[in-house]
Amino acid sequence: ETGVTQSPTHLIKTRGQQVTLRCSSQSGHNTVSWYQQALGQGPQFIFQYYREEENGRGNFPPRFSGLQFPNYSSELNVNALELDDSALYLCASSSARGSGGTSGANVLTFGAGSRLTVL
Amino acid sequence: GEDVEQSLFLSVREGDSSVINCTYTDSSSTYLYWYKQEPGAGLQLLTYIFSNMDMKQDQRLTVLLNKKDKHLSLRIADTQTGDSAIYFCAESWGGATNKLIFGTGTLLAVQP
Repeated sequence: ETGVTQSPTHLIKTRGQQVTLRCSSQSGHNTVSWYQQALGQGPQFIFQYYREEENGRGNFPPRFSGLQFPNYSSELNVNALELDDSALYLCASSSARGSGGTSGANVLTFGAGSRLTVL
Repeated sequence: GEDVEQSLFLSVREGDSSVINCTYTDSSSTYLYWYKQEPGAGLQLLTYIFSNMDMKQDQRLTVLLNKKDKHLSLRIADTQTGDSAIYFCAESWGGATNKLIFGTGTLLAVQP
């Protein structure tokens, strides 16, 4: 069983550029979530994709967008990069099931992240 | 609000117990989680607790939940140097188990 893989691991961009980050979900998982982790902070929820549709979004502007493909892999796109976009971007996969009951926790499996630096 | 609060730093000696505390905000959270992050790595799930439980034990880890005070703690028994990392608590957002609100993290430093 393979885990969550992300690419690239590190990249440097300049303000105003665009970036695409990629994520392959864990085998058997059909839901992908993206989180932004700024230095010294906890991860912040960006959005989630399920069945190729956005299924919930955090407090991020529209220049953060995503895609999910039929094989459940996903991309995060960020346009018009700003200095504050410098962060570790984490992808997490899970299988979408309902909540309820002590066995209903739907845990997230995280990748190692893509570290983006915007100069 | 959606703030999950943790103390920033905890230092313990090897072999002692560590207790990391967390205060969450969403009373509808179904599950509460503890994640570990080592330098340069992603997040590793340590354990989670369902909101109708008070305590959960998993080997060296004990989670205590006080739902009235919205307080969650993680106790690590016999702390080892390999436990040095940042620990995040997280609550499920609006009851949805897939979307998490994370705390700011507690850096645990274990002194040999």
